[in-house]
Amino acid sequence: EDQVTQSPEALRLQEGESSSLNCSYTVSGLRGLFWYRQDPGKGPEFLFTLYSAGEEKEKERLKATLTKKESFLHITAPKPEDSATYLCAVLRHGGATNKLIFGTGTLLAVQP
Amino acid sequence: EPEVTQTPSHQVTQMGQEVILRCVPISNHLYFYWYRQILGQKVEFLVSFYNNEISEKSEIFDDQFSVERPDGSNFTLKIRSTKLEDSAMYFCASSGTSGEQFFGPGTRLTVL
Repeated sequence: EDQVTQSPEALRLQEGESSSLNCSYTVSGLRGLFWYRQDPGKGPEFLFTLYSAGEEKEKERLKATLTKKESFLHITAPKPEDSATYLCAVLRHGGATNKLIFGTGTLLAVQP
Repeated sequence: EPEVTQTPSHQVTQMGQEVILRCVPISNHLYFYWYRQILGQKVEFLVSFYNNEISEKSEIFDDQFSVERPDGSNFTLKIRSTKLEDSAMYFCASSGTSGEQFFGPGTRLTVL
């Protein structure tokens, strides 16, 4: 069964303290791995798509990497405005499916 | 920047009543989706829609749910007879050929 697991569930950082969030996945053929940011009471905001192992993408203080079993979201020198829940989702090969399978997310709090 | 919009932002209804949630996807997108998120839980796929028909649906999407694209811009989710357990945030999403799904801000459905 396809599965996405994110860790840690929650992470508290001081402003400027870099860290990484983990997304491990089990899927029958990965077509893409997606990172989203979700603020309280809002919809997921698209950040990155990764398609193959070894791929990396960057946006401001965020960098996403992908291996055959997991993805990392690295946050460099975070600011309080980076506080949010970060969601990982996978899209698998096969048929006509475009269904995203989400993890439970990592709640990030960055303190000034 | 184009975005997915949803109305209403909050809907309160009595158990057994019908509700219609509305979405305007990004204009040049061809694939449309509904997801839901029960408070404190992960985002779950409900249904995908392409070329005026359902392309995939989850076990959650039973006979009380239906989707429609009544015109060239709107995409709706109807719940015929709401239950207490239907209370959740409902997100509409759309995607183009890249497969990247962009989400709306959500409709908070409260069933009393």
